[in-house]
Amino acid sequence: DAGVTQTPRHEVAEKGQTIILKCEPVSGHNDLFWYRQTKIQGLELLSYFRSKSLMEDGGAFKDRFKAEMLNSSFSTLKIQPTEPKDSAVYLCASSFRQSAETLYFGSGTRLTVL
Amino acid sequence: GDQVEQSPSALSLHEGTGSALRCNFTTTMRAVQWFRKNSRGSLINLFYLASGTKENGRLKSAFDSKERYSTLHIRDAQLEDSGTYFCAARTGGYKVVFGSGTRLLVSP
Repeated sequence: DAGVTQTPRHEVAEKGQTIILKCEPVSGHNDLFWYRQTKIQGLELLSYFRSKSLMEDGGAFKDRFKAEMLNSSFSTLKIQPTEPKDSAVYLCASSFRQSAETLYFGSGTRLTVL
Repeated sequence: GDQVEQSPSALSLHEGTGSALRCNFTTTMRAVQWFRKNSRGSLINLFYLASGTKENGRLKSAFDSKERYSTLHIRDAQLEDSGTYFCAARTGGYKVVFGSGTRLLVSP
């Protein structure tokens, strides 16, 4: 029974590059979240999808961050252009029903922007 | 905005002892989830509670929505319990608000 799968595990980018992070939610889950985790800010919500529809577009992250959910089993987070301050761990999580179910997290992608 | 205050920020225990972590909420939350971050950085689910208490082995959690808090009790701590523990509270909508984490170190 596969959990949330995130790839790659690690990504190193030069400032100004475009990077795409990938996430496969737990099969059958219809809610998907993207978070950014830093030591200073903790866990920050970037995007939230319900049944592939974007419900939360990240507020302050809108300009360079774009999350998409092409189908119910795959989502991407694009950062364009990357900046050194984007260095963080990016986490994807899914749940079956947002109001009543456990969140399952992937192992995350550690992004380093030079 | 909605906030979660998690305490303590760090905790040291000797093997075999126990303690409690706590999260206080500034508003009424619908549910709380507790996680442990393992050595690989993955967030491992411990408990999900919409009310009451749950127990699993040496861990026990309680959630009181009305009183706006949740606790995670660890008893008979083992070395492998070391790690960072987070609570995450579900607001009335879809948002999940995380505590700042508790770094637990269990020593022999």
